Amino acid sequence: DTGVSQNPRHKITKRGQNVTFRCDPISEHNRLYWYRQTLGQGPEFLTYFQNEAQLEKSRLLSDRFSAERPKGSFSTLEIQRTEQGDSAMYLCASSPGQGAWETQYFGPGTRLLVL
Amino acid sequence: AQTVTQSQPEMSVQEAETVTLSCTYDTSESDYYLFWYKQPPSRQMILVIRQEAYKQQNATENRFSVNFQKAAKSFSLKISDSQLGDAAMYFCAYPNSNSGYALNFGKGTSLLVTP
Repeated sequence: DTGVSQNPRHKITKRGQNVTFRCDPISEHNRLYWYRQTLGQGPEFLTYFQNEAQLEKSRLLSDRFSAERPKGSFSTLEIQRTEQGDSAMYLCASSPGQGAWETQYFGPGTRLLVL
Repeated sequence: AQTVTQSQPEMSVQEAETVTLSCTYDTSESDYYLFWYKQPPSRQMILVIRQEAYKQQNATENRFSVNFQKAAKSFSLKISDSQLGDAAMYFCAYPNSNSGYALNFGKGTSLLVTP
C-alpha cells in the first residue's frame, strides 16, 4: 500500500491557462474526495466520488472546474481559464467507502500558483 | 449547518510539556465521529486520533488523547510529553453525512514546540 499520490506536486501557470491534476487513491478505496486549501485555512470540500460516480459538488466548484474518475480508479481535476484566485493547495483523499464515518487518507497535494 | 471552530490560531509548548488544543462543533446528529488531523510543514495531512460520539470513553493514541464532551459539543486534543516532531498545523474535522462524509475542517491551530 503506497498511500494516496498526487501529480504534479507543484504547478505554476499563467492566468487563463488550463491545468489538470491527477490523484491516485489507495488501492480498492471506493471513495475519493477533492479539497482545496488556501494559506492559513483548513481544507474545504470540493467534490467526491463513490467509485466512478460523482455524487456531490460543493458550491465552491465553479463551472470552470471539472472532475472525473473513469473506471473508479484515479481521478483528475481540471481547472479551465485559471484565475489568480485559484491559487491554492489541492488535496485528494480516499477512504474504503464501505460504510459511514471512515478515516480519510490524504495525498501530499498539488500546489497551484496562478500568475 | 455543521461547523467546526478552533479558537486558537497558534499555541506554543515546551518539549516534554503538555498542551491542549480546543475544538467546538455544531451538529444536530446523534451518531457521528470526530477527527484530529496533523499537517506538518510541507508534508501531507495525517490522522492523529478519532472519536466515536456514542462512546463514553475518550480516545487515546499513545501521547495523544481527546477530551470529548458531547453535550457541550467540545472535542479537545491533549498532547503529552510534547516532542519537536509534533510541531504542525492541527485540524479538527467533522464528517458531513450529507456529502459522502466529506470533512468539515476548522481553521486549524499552529503548534510550535520549543526546546
